Amino acid sequence: QLQLQESGPGLVKPSETLSLTCTVSGGSISSSSYYWGWIRRPPGKGLEWIGSIYYSGSTHYNPSLKSRVTISADTSKNLFSLNLSSVTAADAAVYYCARGFWSPALFDYWGQGTLVTVSS
Amino acid sequence: DIVMTQSPDSLAVSLGERATINCKSSQSVLYSSNNKNYLAWYQQKPGQPPKLLIYWASTRESGVPDRFSGSGSGTDFTLTISSLQAEDVAVYYCQQYFINAYTFGQGTKLEIK
Repeated sequence: QLQLQESGPGLVKPSETLSLTCTVSGGSISSSSYYWGWIRRPPGKGLEWIGSIYYSGSTHYNPSLKSRVTISADTSKNLFSLNLSSVTAADAAVYYCARGFWSPALFDYWGQGTLVTVSS
Repeated sequence: DIVMTQSPDSLAVSLGERATINCKSSQSVLYSSNNKNYLAWYQQKPGQPPKLLIYWASTRESGVPDRFSGSGSGTDFTLTISSLQAEDVAVYYCQQYFINAYTFGQGTKLEIK
């Protein structure tokens, strides 16, 4: 059974970079035709797709976040990562990692999510 | 961006009754080359991640009970729960996965009447 687990700091200071990692078990992120993505849910708001990385290494980003987002993968450790720079209070959210199929943003397996707070 | 608008925002239905949630996209998510609607439905319970229920507008994900069904095409879609069970209390989201930024609806909160 595929499992995804987010990890990283729960508190980030304004203007700094938010860095999260998603460790995948029960399957390989190098598996053909799958995407590995990040989605967030700010408090009291709906879901927002942040971006995804394809098994080949190509990346897809939400245009509204593209200038601040980097998604990368480490196939040797079977994990992928999110960096979001210059964070503000608006970036506070529960961050999920997930596996995508058919599209960068159709997700069938999800991590449990990790809460990130932005505060000095 | 494609804007996804769900209605209603909240819904209370009696156990065993039908629940219907609507989703409208600001532009068509039907791809003419394969005649597929790039529309998914997710269920999210408190403290849990979203769970994929339906994709291609009407294809049920493996393991999803058959009381859940999706319909619609182009810009108008519906999620129907034929006989509401207590465990169906959740927030439901539609999502288009056709065009970046792959947007979600605002969510519909489903409760027991």
